[in-house]
Amino acid sequence: ETGVTQTPRHLVMGMTNKKSLKCEQHLGHNAMYWYKQSAKKPLELMFVYNFKEQTENNSVPSRFSPECPNSSHLFLHLHTLQPEDSALYLCASSPTMGDKRRMGTQYFGPGTRLTVL
Amino acid sequence: GDSVTQMEGPVTLSEEAFLTINCTYTATGYPSLFWYVQYPGEGLQLLLKATKADDKGSNKGFEATYRKETTSFHLEKGSVQVSDSAVYFCALSAGGGSQGNLIFGKGTKLSVKP
Repeated sequence: ETGVTQTPRHLVMGMTNKKSLKCEQHLGHNAMYWYKQSAKKPLELMFVYNFKEQTENNSVPSRFSPECPNSSHLFLHLHTLQPEDSALYLCASSPTMGDKRRMGTQYFGPGTRLTVL
Repeated sequence: GDSVTQMEGPVTLSEEAFLTINCTYTATGYPSLFWYVQYPGEGLQLLLKATKADDKGSNKGFEATYRKETTSFHLEKGSVQVSDSAVYFCALSAGGGSQGNLIFGKGTKLSVKP
């Protein structure tokens, strides 16, 4: 499925810039996720939103600030990042949590390749 | 805590070769198990899944069987194609208060040569 879109696809920013990543899903899902994918490291879950409420924050530094205005949109606001934050940032969505039959089936966007100079 | 361990890559095979990518897990309760695939320049896509012991997930010629006794979910394909070149991730769904959250292995890069 290609129902999850992310913009921009590529982003280069300086350490003092402020930028935002956007994710949009057209699948009618109620849960949305931000992941960080770095080379040679496991995929890292950053934030989880369920029905617009944040349900998980995996000790992510405060320079990453998520926002979920509705169940279809998810943002990741970035400020004063570090070079080690350079990575592929993936957004995903899933059907309503608690539905065991579909639990764990997440649909991913193509990601935003972020480079921090 | 829950975790997934999969074989390190990269794996390089010739077209039509047999593929096995090993995956073992540690989990409390009864997790669901997944294989996701990431083609170059794309996000992850669900390849197959199994929700209980002895279930076999299958898709596009790939198969994996949920083995509770060995806590394994190895991915197999009888004859790989060049188009199967991608990174493959084993994952499990965490139970309890994190229903729906996935825990991923590190990924195994597969390259298939013509």
